[in-house]
Amino acid sequence: DAGITQSPRHKVTETGTPVTLRCHQTENHRYMYWYRQDPGHGLRLIHYSYGVKDTDKGEVSDGYSVSRSKTEDFLLTLESATSSQTSVYFCAISEGVISNQPQHFGDGTRLSIL
Amino acid sequence: QQQVKQSPQSLIVQKGGISIINCAYENTAFDYFPWYQQFPGKGPALLIAIRPDVSEKKEGRFTISFNKSAKQFSLHIMDSQPGDSATYFCAASPPERTFGNEKLTFGTGTRLTIIP
Repeated sequence: DAGITQSPRHKVTETGTPVTLRCHQTENHRYMYWYRQDPGHGLRLIHYSYGVKDTDKGEVSDGYSVSRSKTEDFLLTLESATSSQTSVYFCAISEGVISNQPQHFGDGTRLSIL
Repeated sequence: QQQVKQSPQSLIVQKGGISIINCAYENTAFDYFPWYQQFPGKGPALLIAIRPDVSEKKEGRFTISFNKSAKQFSLHIMDSQPGDSATYFCAASPPERTFGNEKLTFGTGTRLTIIP
């Protein structure tokens, strides 16, 4: 299994609080991604990174920010959590562009916002 | 905006039977079509992938069939086994170009259950 660790694995918090999810990789892969998974929507890309300090938005980026100060860490922050952000969040990594190198996923963070 | 439509939402197949999951896409620029398998409590894992220059790709019991003119592709699982019970996602990606284009668009998933 690819060396991807997501933390925390589970979190319950209240509306309006800030939340940071961490993705740590030991593979030294260039690309990192954050997805959310919701019933009926599959996996939707939130943000991704193609290098240290290089990030871009995905299709559902509103309400989320990311940072990547080191190759191995990609942080996802919900500045002021809302109930609509209750979801399972997955981090993924890839060595190169998608069509040549597969994405490897972590085991997810289940986030509940009350 | 659903660019990759997947069906059915759930599927029950008897052990030994053929499981078929279908996907249709809208963006004609897509040129890479992977399938991912996800077990409960785990992240998705790449199962098999195809490019539009071939109409079929087979790996063991798993086969992707691709119809470029219809903009459809499907996953066939032959001799389905209880261990194949999982959620399957199709996905699509545009050609690699420059940085910023490395994105997968996923279907909504199919929960497959193989019964004895």
